[in-house]
Amino acid sequence: RKEVEQDPGPFNVPEGATVAFNCTYSNSASQSFFWYRQDCRKEPKLLMSVYSSGNEDGRFTAQLNRASQYISLLIRDSKLSDSATYLCVVNPARQLTFGSGTQLTVLP
Amino acid sequence: DTAVSQTPKYLVTQMGNDKSIKCEQNLGHDTMYWYKQDSKKFLKIMFSYNNKELIINETVPNRFSPKSPDKAHLNLHINSLELGDSAVYFCASSLTQLRDRLYFGPGTRLTVL
Repeated sequence: RKEVEQDPGPFNVPEGATVAFNCTYSNSASQSFFWYRQDCRKEPKLLMSVYSSGNEDGRFTAQLNRASQYISLLIRDSKLSDSATYLCVVNPARQLTFGSGTQLTVLP
Repeated sequence: DTAVSQTPKYLVTQMGNDKSIKCEQNLGHDTMYWYKQDSKKFLKIMFSYNNKELIINETVPNRFSPKSPDKAHLNLHINSLELGDSAVYFCASSLTQLRDRLYFGPGTRLTVL
């Protein structure tokens, strides 16, 4: 089993839609969780950290479920500019481990 | 000011050549990394240095040799390049080695012909 697994998509959604991504991790001792965003041919950039109690940043909501070992990202009112690959990142050991990413395309 | 910079941005070379990629960060971070992103977009750690000391060395061919002259710089030298080395190589840094967020450089797109 991979340490971090994501549905690769692609997810194609219309503008204004709500879309959710899940990511599962295998190491129950993992302590840090993040969502990164990567635009085409660019470097990954931090979108948001994921806290135990869940957290929100504008249209983005992140949740952590330790019992089931998954994190989720919810995007409300999707914008064209949200089109990107979303990377789930978990810290199972000494370094951050990246999922393979979920590709999102928001359509006009 | 660019936080994490890499040079060159593009590198096209023949099989068998030796090449280097340079990375610098001006964030005052202690830890720097090299990641490789292959054609399937999977981002995998190669090396990590903390205060010039190698702390992570994943299963990478010994043709790849990182060097950290000081904690603001981490270079990657690759000997005898192979076709399978074609990928995007990202340098990154973090405040410490303990679960901090990563700041990535813009990447070096290496193509081996």
